[in-house]
Amino acid sequence: DAGVTQSPTHLIKTRGQQVTLRCSPKSGHDTVSWYQQALGQGPQFIFQYYEEEERQRGNFPDRFSGHQFPNYSSELNVNALLLGDSALYLCASSLKGRTPSTDTQYFGPGTRLTVL
Amino acid sequence: SQQGEEDPQALSIQEGENATMNCSYKTSINNLQWYRQNSGRGLVHLILIRSNEREKHSGRLRVTLDTSKKSSSLLITASRAADTASYFCATDRTAGGGNKLTFGTGTQLKVEL
Repeated sequence: DAGVTQSPTHLIKTRGQQVTLRCSPKSGHDTVSWYQQALGQGPQFIFQYYEEEERQRGNFPDRFSGHQFPNYSSELNVNALLLGDSALYLCASSLKGRTPSTDTQYFGPGTRLTVL
Repeated sequence: SQQGEEDPQALSIQEGENATMNCSYKTSINNLQWYRQNSGRGLVHLILIRSNEREKHSGRLRVTLDTSKKSSSLLITASRAADTASYFCATDRTAGGGNKLTFGTGTQLKVEL
């Protein structure tokens, strides 16, 4: 049973660049959420995708955008990178569209983004 | 913004001792979840307790929830060196067709041999 996978593991970018992070949910899951975790902090919710639509969004600027594909995998895009975007980006999957659904979110290993 | 806070921020104990971590939150919730994180890696789900539950057990873990005080506690019994990690509580409030987890600031647990 494949868990949540994320790619790449590490990424180094410079200010102003754009980045795309990828996530494949746990087998059988249909909902993907993205979180940003700065060093020494708890994860902060960015947004959640279900049925290829953004269902809920946290307090992040429009530079952060996402997409969910028909196979439930997802991408997180960040434009015009700032130094403060350096963080661990976590993807989590859950099941919403079938019974029983699950409130538990299963996390991937994360992508470490460094902005120089 | 963080929903709440874990207490203490850091905890150091000897192997075999019990470890207790507390979590406070601010708003009504559907459920509260506890996660473990090793050295900046992904989060591992430990246990979920729903708003209508008061106590839940899973192996060496015991979680309590007091919705009147908006607080929860995680007890790890007979701790092991492998339990060394950061522990986070996260509250789940379903809203607007989606549900998001709001995390606390975490407790860093160190279990020494």
